[in-house]
Amino acid sequence: AQKVTQAQTEISVVEKEDVTLDCVYETRDTTYYLFWYKQPPSGELVFLIRRNSFDEQNEISGRYSWNFQKSTSSFNFTITASQVVDSAVYFCALRGQKVTFGTGTKLQVIP
Amino acid sequence: DVKVTQSSRYLVKRTGEKVFLECVQDMDHENMFWYRQDPGLGLRLIYFSYDVKMKEKGDIPEGYSVSREKKERFSLILESASTNQTSMYLCASIQTSRPYEQYFGPGTRLTVT
Repeated sequence: AQKVTQAQTEISVVEKEDVTLDCVYETRDTTYYLFWYKQPPSGELVFLIRRNSFDEQNEISGRYSWNFQKSTSSFNFTITASQVVDSAVYFCALRGQKVTFGTGTKLQVIP
Repeated sequence: DVKVTQSSRYLVKRTGEKVFLECVQDMDHENMFWYRQDPGLGLRLIYFSYDVKMKEKGDIPEGYSVSREKKERFSLILESASTNQTSMYLCASIQTSRPYEQYFGPGTRLTVT
């Protein structure tokens, strides 16, 4: 069975704080992709990043960074110096034989 | 610029009505998907299609059917809408050669009264 767990349902931080969104996955596939999506209040899912199962190199893109650890089956997402515009629901997803989404983490950045 | 469009952003229907949700992509993608999104449950796959006239059940197909007569269009059909089908419906597409790039439409918020 394939599963994605985002244990944090809602997080509130004050602007300029750093915040990490957790994602833990389960799969029996040896080849798979991991994704993070952002869903702002407008509703449309915005692709942020993907990682394939053979690439454990962490990535930084501006204020965003991702930590992929295959040993712990985790793909965590950190926003540095958060801003109000980061307020959204963030989804982690796994694509192996099928696509599975986590339940999402609602992030609220308070000015 | 890639694009997935859905026919309506908001829809209100009565119990028992037949409902069509349309999705069109202009990227010549082979694969198309229908998800529903509910609070606390994330996105759940209803149906997907790998090619024209082909369809596969996802995790929650009960109460739904789909139609894919043309490559660019994937329709979700609620034969007899029920209140528990009130939800946000999201369409997505993927090109087979680039399975890591899934593009989503803006969503249709369906309310069944």
